[in-house]
Amino acid sequence: AQSVAQPEDQVNVAEGNPLTVKCTYSVSGNPYLFWYVQYPNRGLQFLLKYITGDNLVKGSYGFEAEFNKSQTSFHLKKPSALVSDSALYFCAVRDPNYGGSQGNLIFGKGTKLSVKP
Amino acid sequence: NAGVMQNPRHLVRRRGQEARLRCSPMKGHSHVYWYRQLPEEGLKFMVYLQKENIIDESGMPKERFSAEFPKEGPSILRIQQVVRGDSAAYFCASSPRKVADTQYFGPGTRLTVL
Repeated sequence: AQSVAQPEDQVNVAEGNPLTVKCTYSVSGNPYLFWYVQYPNRGLQFLLKYITGDNLVKGSYGFEAEFNKSQTSFHLKKPSALVSDSALYFCAVRDPNYGGSQGNLIFGKGTKLSVKP
Repeated sequence: NAGVMQNPRHLVRRRGQEARLRCSPMKGHSHVYWYRQLPEEGLKFMVYLQKENIIDESGMPKERFSAEFPKEGPSILRIQQVVRGDSAAYFCASSPRKVADTQYFGPGTRLTVL
């Protein structure tokens, strides 16, 4: 079965410090991996994705994520957090080889990031 | 280039009424997905459509829920005889043709059932 786990419900970081939001996945084949951010009462905004190639992916707003196949992880990182980064972050996976459906994303439960000044 | 549009943004219905949620994909996108987000939870896939075709409805409840994406006009998610448990945020996403393409999300419709 396909699944995504975000083990931390909340991550607290001081402004200017590095941040990491963790994500692990379980799929049968080679995954497509995504990170989205959701601000209160808003839709999801795309941050970055891994399809193939370089394991380190750079995305919007200074975020990056590293695909680690052996650990089945795709942690989101940022070298220096901003207060404005405070939001809900979702990791998602798509397994293009799963059954007959190639469409839907499977989301983790989300991690609330709180950056304090 | 406008993003994914959803309306209404907020919808209040009484138990037993019908709810109609609309989604206009980004220009040039032919794939539409509907997801539901319950409070304090992640998004759950409901249905995947292309123009005039339902590709995957494995996430749709068996009764009361239906979706369409006609040749002309927006995609519609329809919930008949709503119940309180249907209260949630419903998000639509669209993407271009390829499987690896990013899904871009609309702002969502927040349905409240009284």
